[in-house]
Amino acid sequence: DIQMTQSPSSLSASVGDRVTITCRASQSTGNYLNWYQQKAGTAPKLLIYATSTLQSGVPSRFSGSGSGTDFTLTISSLQPADFATYYCQQSYSSPWTFGQGTKVEI
Amino acid sequence: QSQLVQSEPEVKQPGASVKVSCKASGYTFIAYGVTWVRQAPGQGLEWMGRISAFSSGTTYAQKFHDRVTMTRDSSTSTAYMELRSLRFDDTALYYCARENGNDGFDIWGQGTMVTVS
Repeated sequence: DIQMTQSPSSLSASVGDRVTITCRASQSTGNYLNWYQQKAGTAPKLLIYATSTLQSGVPSRFSGSGSGTDFTLTISSLQPADFATYYCQQSYSSPWTFGQGTKVEI
Repeated sequence: QSQLVQSEPEVKQPGASVKVSCKASGYTFIAYGVTWVRQAPGQGLEWMGRISAFSSGTTYAQKFHDRVTMTRDSSTSTAYMELRSLRFDDTALYYCARENGNDGFDIWGQGTMVTVS
């Protein structure tokens, strides 16, 4: 199984900050790397798929990059609605696997 | 719009089974797979397995392969996940989600809370 490791596990930031979350895979996932946002009490929401493609309706302040084993989610200017937990997930090889999550707090 | 609606919360005793349903609407059900993910209280996301809505072929995570069965009824656009021999640590929120090929899980159900007590 491909193990996904996110860092940091949590971070504190302010509105307007630039935030970067990293995700490392135990082996190459090509560009089959997806990012989700989950707010408390709600289902996860797909933000980015295939490393860097924004899901429809997702604000352009979110961006993704990387390849192979190292990937990054960036929020260019943190907004109040962005305080949530973020998960990466590989869709290269079954079983699909998630990172452990990164909680973004005020 | 496209959506997935899951069944109501369940409370089960240890050793029992639970079957969660996931009804799709607003899209062609057999054109996409359905994946199941669970989340224990305060924990992260755990992928359990998936079913092809077209062929009904399944793939299960090794952790669950001897206790889980995923099925689908294309006539009602509904997917099902049955988990047997429930344990206390199966207490979790169970989500279904639509698989958009390799492009992630783009539509999620609201989640079904299963409590083993």
